[in-house]
Amino acid sequence: GAGVSQTPSNKVTEKGKYVELRCDPISGHTALYWYRQSLGQGPEFLIYFQGTGAADDSGLPNDRFFAVRPEGSVSTLKIQRTERGDSAVYLCASSPTPGAGELFFGEGSRLTVL
Amino acid sequence: GENVEQHPSTLSVQEGDSAVIKCTYSDSASNYFPWYKQELGKRPQLIIDIRSNVGEKKDQRIAVTLNKTAKHFSLHITETQPEDSAVYFCAAGPNDYKLSFGAGTTVTVRA
Repeated sequence: GAGVSQTPSNKVTEKGKYVELRCDPISGHTALYWYRQSLGQGPEFLIYFQGTGAADDSGLPNDRFFAVRPEGSVSTLKIQRTERGDSAVYLCASSPTPGAGELFFGEGSRLTVL
Repeated sequence: GENVEQHPSTLSVQEGDSAVIKCTYSDSASNYFPWYKQELGKRPQLIIDIRSNVGEKKDQRIAVTLNKTAKHFSLHITETQPEDSAVYFCAAGPNDYKLSFGAGTTVTVRA
């Protein structure tokens, strides 16, 4: 596609449920990133993939969060036992290679945990 | 880790005037400083970036300055237009991907 695509655009779930958020990066981009943006704040780094492997997952807040990118393209962010504090917009970005500079962000998935 | 502070949180300017947003960072290892613009409900988009080996960079009406000694950098928008109204985020990091963002500045350009 022309840009980074994220689904769903909105997700409302109940506390304790499991959630999956999907990111389809720009074709040919090898680097993929997940950020989280809370209301009124800047994006917060979660994890970075180079190809299929997580090159840096130091931003994941705890072990309820996990992300995969099995074929080096589409990535899924998985959140177990959701908590109200997980409510945020989850942004995915990609770039042609690491060190290329610009991160191309998607529109985000807005997660609301009731 | 890196801590980025951004000021002001809101900025209202008359069309045609200049806007300046300032950021400070804490980690001397940071050497990449991008600025992103985010319109309401839209994705953040890069408008300009600077690396630590450069003190100033300009792109048409937008310029960024960096003072590594003082650990601060600034965004300057000249001849502001209504379409410049948005939230602007500064960021800093040791590389291009692990960025720490400021809390954002909401810029309103009054016609």
